[in-house]
Amino acid sequence: DAKTTQPPSMDCAEGRAANLPCNHSTISGNEYVYWYRQIHSQGPQYIIHGLKNNETNEMASLIITEDRKSSTLILPHATLRDTAVYYCIVSPRHGNKLVFGAGTILRVKS
Amino acid sequence: EPEVTQTPSHQVTQMGQEVILRCVPISNHLYFYWYRQILGQKVEFLVSFYNNEISEKSEIFDDQFSVERPDGSNFTLKIRSTKLEDSAMYFCASSYTSGASEKLFFGSGTQLSVL
Repeated sequence: DAKTTQPPSMDCAEGRAANLPCNHSTISGNEYVYWYRQIHSQGPQYIIHGLKNNETNEMASLIITEDRKSSTLILPHATLRDTAVYYCIVSPRHGNKLVFGAGTILRVKS
Repeated sequence: EPEVTQTPSHQVTQMGQEVILRCVPISNHLYFYWYRQILGQKVEFLVSFYNNEISEKSEIFDDQFSVERPDGSNFTLKIRSTKLEDSAMYFCASSYTSGASEKLFFGSGTQLSVL
């Protein structure tokens, strides 16, 4: 399974865009990039995923570089409720055994 | 939005006792999982379950652990003889398929404290 590298923490001002980077240089061609978040020890929450095209949903946008070796999760207008640990995960080729790393602690400040 | 329900939210038990953690996955989902998170540590995969059998398990999931889908709605994790190191938050999850593009839905967890 490919591994990911994320900064341990980031700060963002409320109302501004939060851009969370992730490196996944060993990703394979059929592996997806997933983002989940965990708010204060609650269950992880799915945010978005993509294969190679940029994706957008009601929560966030996902920008994947052309070589697929890195990606950025964008929360367009961060609120205090977006303070959480954000996990970038590369999906396994078979099955759904998500491997969580340490993630990025995002602190949204007023 | 449909959600995964876990009960109880907190469970306190004595070392050596058996505990059963319960989960109600999303109704049309076919794949079920247990994860755990020891305080301050990463979320760890324990086991996946499909078609009434374990499809994958981690090294953590030893003979003290078992899973069961006793009826059409519940999914349980049993720890036969709890140890202090089993104290953790346990998360149940479900998904409709197991494809690489499938997302998991997690419950809010059961905090297990072994004394």
